Amino acid sequence: NAGVTQTPKFQVLKTGQSMTLQCAQDMNHNSMYWYRQDPGMGLRLIYYSASEGTTDKGEVPNGYNVSRLNKREFSLRLESAAPSQTSVYFCASSAPRHEQFFGPGTRLTVL
Amino acid sequence: SQQGEEDPQALSIQEGENATMNCSYKTSINNLQWYRQNSGRGLVHLILIRSNEREKHSGRLRVTLDTSKKSSSLLITASRAADTASYFCATDPKYNYGQNFVFGPGTRLSVLP
Repeated sequence: NAGVTQTPKFQVLKTGQSMTLQCAQDMNHNSMYWYRQDPGMGLRLIYYSASEGTTDKGEVPNGYNVSRLNKREFSLRLESAAPSQTSVYFCASSAPRHEQFFGPGTRLTVL
Repeated sequence: SQQGEEDPQALSIQEGENATMNCSYKTSINNLQWYRQNSGRGLVHLILIRSNEREKHSGRLRVTLDTSKKSSSLLITASRAADTASYFCATDPKYNYGQNFVFGPGTRLSVLP
């Protein structure tokens, strides 16, 4: 079992460029999440998906879009990257009301 | 504003000592979870305590939950250098139907050899 995988591990973008962060889980979880982590801020929820075909906004959704491609995969897209989106991005998955399993993270720098 | 707030923000102890960190939250919850994050890594789940439980143990970890005070504590006994990490509490708010966990900013624990 790979658990939760994320690609890429590192990315540098210029302001205005777009990119998609990929996430996949092999635990048959219904729920998947995207978080960003900034120094001293803990994790902030960007978007989540309670099940295949549904997505909902979290605390900080502006500037992002998501796609729940199937039960395994949940992608996060930055259409026009801004320096304020420099952060570490984590994907997670869980069964309802159970612990979350996290991926290793993507470290994104926007110049 | 964040649901969970850990206290202290940073803690430095000697190997072998016990480490206690606290979490306060604001609204009713279904459960509360503690996670560990080693530098540059993803979060790892440590323990989950449900709202009808008061105490839970897992190895050297002991978690308490006081729903009347809306607070929880994580005790790590006989700490080791390998326990050096950031520790986060996360709450599952009662009326969010389990879809939306809320994390605090974390406690940075340093265990000195």
